[in-house]
Amino acid sequence: DTAVSQTPKYLVTQMGNDKSIKCEQNLGHDTMYWYKQDSKKFLKIMFSYNNKELIINETVPNRFSPKSPDKAHLNLHINSLELGDSAVYFCASSQSTGVAQPQHFGDGTRLSIL
Amino acid sequence: DAKTTQPTSMDCAEGRAANLPCNHSTISGNEYVYWYRQIHSQGPQYIIHGLKNNETNEMASLIITEDRKSSTLILPHATLRDTAVYYCIVRASGSARQLTFGSGTQLTVLP
Repeated sequence: DTAVSQTPKYLVTQMGNDKSIKCEQNLGHDTMYWYKQDSKKFLKIMFSYNNKELIINETVPNRFSPKSPDKAHLNLHINSLELGDSAVYFCASSQSTGVAQPQHFGDGTRLSIL
Repeated sequence: DAKTTQPTSMDCAEGRAANLPCNHSTISGNEYVYWYRQIHSQGPQYIIHGLKNNETNEMASLIITEDRKSSTLILPHATLRDTAVYYCIVRASGSARQLTFGSGTQLTVLP
């Protein structure tokens, strides 16, 4: 049983298109996150939801819109894709926002923009 | 969150203990030390975390110095599957909602 699962695993698309990445966790956690890992391998937080409420929204272009239909799902929609959006996007979840609560990550969605 | 300093890379012989150091000299009293690793093409994997006491779980041990300015992650019997980038992260309760990753240590376990 995969704890945090993302779909698709690979996404290749053209500049200007709109695409979505889905994330689901079966851990019963309240908090979910989206991170971006660029070509230099640095991981940076993008968004976080706690109980379906947005609690972190880092400096991310508004072409990126997260949506949390319920506590187990956090999807990421990207409009008008640009070359610089090519990266690996990781979803994560934690029991709560508490500092002693570790985050558990999915295996990532590799987005390539042509 | 306090900044951390880790060596860029380390090697370890298979079957031996891997000791990965981390400096966090500006750590505050309410900040936890977390360790994650990322095996190639996979998502970051939680290993262990601690506040001031040493911690051990099925994966590793975490040794935090008494002044809390540094810590060591110990993999007691490294295997080839432990080859990964290991991240030491210091996390404060005030900014508890996210992890701030640095560049980590590339650990290579050699046969």
